[in-house]
Amino acid sequence: GAVVSQHPSWVICKSGTSVKIECRSLDFQATTMFWYRQFPKKSLMLMATSNEGSKATYEQGVEKDKFLINHASLTLSTLTVTSAHPEDSSFYICSARDPSAQGRTGEQYFGPGTRLTVT
Amino acid sequence: SQELEQSPQSLIVQEGKNLTINCTSSKTLYGLYWYKQKYGEGLIFLMMLQKGGEEKSHEKITAKLDEKKQQSSLHITASQPSHAGIYLCGADRGGSNYQLIWGAGTKLIIKP
Repeated sequence: GAVVSQHPSWVICKSGTSVKIECRSLDFQATTMFWYRQFPKKSLMLMATSNEGSKATYEQGVEKDKFLINHASLTLSTLTVTSAHPEDSSFYICSARDPSAQGRTGEQYFGPGTRLTVT
Repeated sequence: SQELEQSPQSLIVQEGKNLTINCTSSKTLYGLYWYKQKYGEGLIFLMMLQKGGEEKSHEKITAKLDEKKQQSSLHITASQPSHAGIYLCGADRGGSNYQLIWGAGTKLIIKP
């Protein structure tokens, strides 16, 4: 299947700093990528849908200015956590939809996730 | 809003035994996905069901979607340690960008 990578796999930063997480589709072009947040022992929470060449669509309750998403190319989307605080500590996962899928049958390919710890 | 209820929340099963995980939606689904996740890692695609009454199998894992397309079950036969992990069901909610909503996950532990 298709491969999605994330970088970094883990990061520790100080409160007040910004952190950028990259999501890359390695062997296919992804017009749409998704950013999720996962809390311990909790399910995936969709944060935003990232569309190449246009503004991201954020889910209700997700701060646009806090979580900046840029999908500058068909293989790269970035999530920047600005002015990070300890409550932003979490596991962030990106995914990309299979572009070759017909209709609504395509699976999402997931990155390995990034664990962010804000001290 | 559409929600997905997944049960049980956790499951401890003796190796070799069968088990079932359920996923129920409050609304009719466009599609239902099953993924597996190891703690702290990404998700691995297992199966996708789209048609009412559909059933798919891969090795010892079988997934079914009921006729009303509101409930799905994931059944593992003769469980093995490699089956341990977190199982998540995701539902296509019909959005223009094919976003998925997710169940809370089922943590499966296999006892040797």
